[in-house]
Amino acid sequence: GQQVMQIPQYQHVQEGEDFTTYCNSSTTLSNIQWYKQRPGGHPVFLIQLVKSGEVKKQKRLTFQFGEAKKNSSLHITATQTTDVGTYFCAGYVSGGSNYKLTFGKGTLLTVNP
Amino acid sequence: NAGVTQTPKFRVLKTGQSMTLLCAQDMNHEYMYWYRQDPGMGLRLIHYSVGEGTTAKGEVPDGYNVSRLKKQNFLLGLESAAPSQTSVYFCASRGGKNHIPDTQYFGPGTRLTVL
Repeated sequence: GQQVMQIPQYQHVQEGEDFTTYCNSSTTLSNIQWYKQRPGGHPVFLIQLVKSGEVKKQKRLTFQFGEAKKNSSLHITATQTTDVGTYFCAGYVSGGSNYKLTFGKGTLLTVNP
Repeated sequence: NAGVTQTPKFRVLKTGQSMTLLCAQDMNHEYMYWYRQDPGMGLRLIHYSVGEGTTAKGEVPDGYNVSRLKKQNFLLGLESAAPSQTSVYFCASRGGKNHIPDTQYFGPGTRLTVL
């Protein structure tokens, strides 16, 4: 079945450092979504990318969708303590049922102030 | 507009007991989902529903049953709880592929411990 792999599993940074998490799918995705889950909280939608090669920015966060629509990345510039949490990518298989969103296992980001 | 709500928030069961988790959404969404989240395992889909009266199996359906009698509610049942079902359970709803963005909205979660 479809797999969405996410690396790294954990990342610890000093406040002010940059952070990147990568997402790779075994199959082509119709779109990719990113979610953030704060410790003790629930996943919250951040963004959706649909087009091949798409790049979107939200303040210090930059999201990319690969040309082949099989990989994606989230980059945070100058991390802050408010960035702490687990970041998940998730995608729908291109040409698939479009009902089930497959999640990566997430990257847990901790920030040392 | 409360979004997605889940009851209860916490529950402790003994092995063999049964319980039902309730998820409710007030966004008139067609699709609803039940996930479990375990350390290092991410979010795994248990069951889902694409409309009132319909249900389908996800990735890890064994030991669980679901019902969607009303569009706004999605119930998850454990008939005979086992320690392996200790987890955090999240419900989510989704408007459908014609919604932009086509996102899932998650409830706050139910933390279940089975002794």
